[in-house]
Amino acid sequence: DAKTTQPPSMDCAEGRAANLPCNHSTISGNEYVYWYRQIHSQGPQYIIHGLKNNETNEMASLIITEDRKSSTLILPHATLRDTAVYYCIVRVVITGGGNKLTFGTGTQLKVEL
Amino acid sequence: KAGVTQTPRYLIKTRGQQVTLSCSPISGHRSVSWYQQTPGQGLQFLFEYFSETQRNKGNFPGRFSGRQFSNSRSEMNVSTLELGDSALYLCASSLNGGGGYTFGSGTRLTVV
Repeated sequence: DAKTTQPPSMDCAEGRAANLPCNHSTISGNEYVYWYRQIHSQGPQYIIHGLKNNETNEMASLIITEDRKSSTLILPHATLRDTAVYYCIVRVVITGGGNKLTFGTGTQLKVEL
Repeated sequence: KAGVTQTPRYLIKTRGQQVTLSCSPISGHRSVSWYQQTPGQGLQFLFEYFSETQRNKGNFPGRFSGRQFSNSRSEMNVSTLELGDSALYLCASSLNGGGGYTFGSGTRLTVV
């Protein structure tokens, strides 16, 4: 399965952009990159996903490199409520059907005043 | 729309017992996946169900099993509980196994 590597922790000043990197150098051509975040051991919250094009939604932007070996999640204006563990995930497509999300260890993002 | 509902939220069991956890997906979602989260191993895939059929299974012993009903609700069962089974168990639903996955709040199982 494709593995993801993320820095264990990052700090960001409130109001500034938070750029969270992820390495997924073993990703296959049909595997999507997903980002989720988890606050206080609640269920992970979906942020965004993409295959090879950059994506943007109301929460964040996802920038995927052309070779797809890495990506960056951008929170344009971080707030204190964005403090959470952010997971970069590869959705593995199983031969014969089915999918599974392969979680890495995540990045603890701390947004400070 | 209603989210993914997991019951119960908390559970305490004794070693050797068995436990059944329930997950009700978002209406219309046919795929339900289960994950185990522990401090040491992080989030690990248990299994995925789609239209009442198990499509994938993670690397867990046979004591972990599950099923899905015709209304897409899913249950997972752990038999002969061990202390190491203490974890947050999460389920996620999606329309057909792709796209966005919505997670429930989880069931926190403590085995004593």
